[in-house]
Amino acid sequence: EIVMTQSPATLSVSPGESATLSCRASQSISSNLAWYQQKPGQAPRLLIYGASTRATGIPARFSGSGSGTEFTLTISSLQSEDFSVYYCQQYNSWPLTFGGGTKVEIK
Amino acid sequence: QLVQSGAEVKKPGASVKVSCKTSGYTFTDYQIHWFRQAPGQGLEWMGRINPYSGVTNYEQKFQGRVTMTRDTSINTAYMEVTRLRSDDTAVYYCAKKVRPGGTSNWFDPWGQGTLVTVSS
Repeated sequence: EIVMTQSPATLSVSPGESATLSCRASQSISSNLAWYQQKPGQAPRLLIYGASTRATGIPARFSGSGSGTEFTLTISSLQSEDFSVYYCQQYNSWPLTFGGGTKVEIK
Repeated sequence: QLVQSGAEVKKPGASVKVSCKTSGYTFTDYQIHWFRQAPGQGLEWMGRINPYSGVTNYEQKFQGRVTMTRDTSINTAYMEVTRLRSDDTAVYYCAKKVRPGGTSNWFDPWGQGTLVTVSS
């Protein structure tokens, strides 16, 4: 099983600033990585797939990068609705696995 | 759109069956996957069903205790968990693959979630 590790667990950012979230895989997953946003009491929402492709309707301030074992989600100019929990998910091999999440909170 | 059944409270040892009614697309074209999220925890993949063939694949830890089925006449997928334990308390989600077939295992949309509470 591929273990996904996200850091930091919590990121405090001021509105308008940018946030950089990290996700590391225990072995190479090529670019087979997705990012989701989850707000309290809601289902996850797909942001990024293929490590860097934004899903339909996702604003351009969300960008993903990386390949192999190191990945980054960058949120530029944070809006109030962006303060949330973010998860990475690998789909390179079974079982599908998720990172533990990064909570982006208002500083 | 994926709409799940309502919250459930079950005793240890009981079973629960969660439904996931789909609309807005051809049900048999896209796999449905199931996930769960324990309170305050991250997401865990449980398994998948191909609605066209009915073929299922389960995460090893759920083998023998989870059954995924579908009813193509009403575009609905189901997941049943038997021999419930307290650590099965979680929100259970169904989700649709974005693309049919292949290895494109990313998901959108997700159902709203079903809270299953296991307590004596």
